[in-house]
Amino acid sequence: EAQVTQNPRYLITVTGKKLTVTCSQNMNHEYMSWYRQDPGLGLRQIYYSMNVEVTDKGDVPEGYKVSRKEKRNFPLILESPSPNQTSLYFCASRLGVNYGYTFGSGTRLTVV
Amino acid sequence: EDQVTQSPEALRLQEGESSSLNCSYTVSGLRGLFWYRQDPGKGPEFLFTLYSAGEEKEKERLKATLTKKESFLHITAPKPEDSATYLCAVLMNTGFQKLVFGTGTRLLVSP
Repeated sequence: EAQVTQNPRYLITVTGKKLTVTCSQNMNHEYMSWYRQDPGLGLRQIYYSMNVEVTDKGDVPEGYKVSRKEKRNFPLILESPSPNQTSLYFCASRLGVNYGYTFGSGTRLTVV
Repeated sequence: EDQVTQSPEALRLQEGESSSLNCSYTVSGLRGLFWYRQDPGKGPEFLFTLYSAGEEKEKERLKATLTKKESFLHITAPKPEDSATYLCAVLMNTGFQKLVFGTGTRLLVSP
């Protein structure tokens, strides 16, 4: 089944403790993105990648890092999480620039 | 400033009561417009892509249309299972073809 897989689905952590949210897609898509979704603010892009080793900042990149060492994987790294990073996170991939994104099921992160 | 606005924020319909959702945009160069459906606690699910004014796409009870300034998602004779949040997103013709989402319309269809 064609899909984007994120892990974990739920995560509660403490301020300052480094964490990684994994994302993997099995569709051989070149484009991948991370979004966060907050009430009243909608989906906002954190980082995106157009191919292996090619990444760039979206609208809200502060406090996040990404890497794209393989085409299928695009992990999101929070080096020192803070409470304002409590949110619902989505990884997404698409075949090309004119195509719609396929989204993962989401990771609900709580930072206390 | 590039902006995507959806209205209404929430809509409650009786089963069978047709209506339309609106997505208006002010962006510097439209490359495409996407509609998604999102169920609570799940990722958005792709519905349609529209590329040019006058284009229409249909899927079951849903029909999406596009003009130069807005898009409509028409829901004909909705059923309770159509209850969800509907998101539109605009693909802009900038350097990396940025995708900007609206905040969505929450639709509730009562039996």
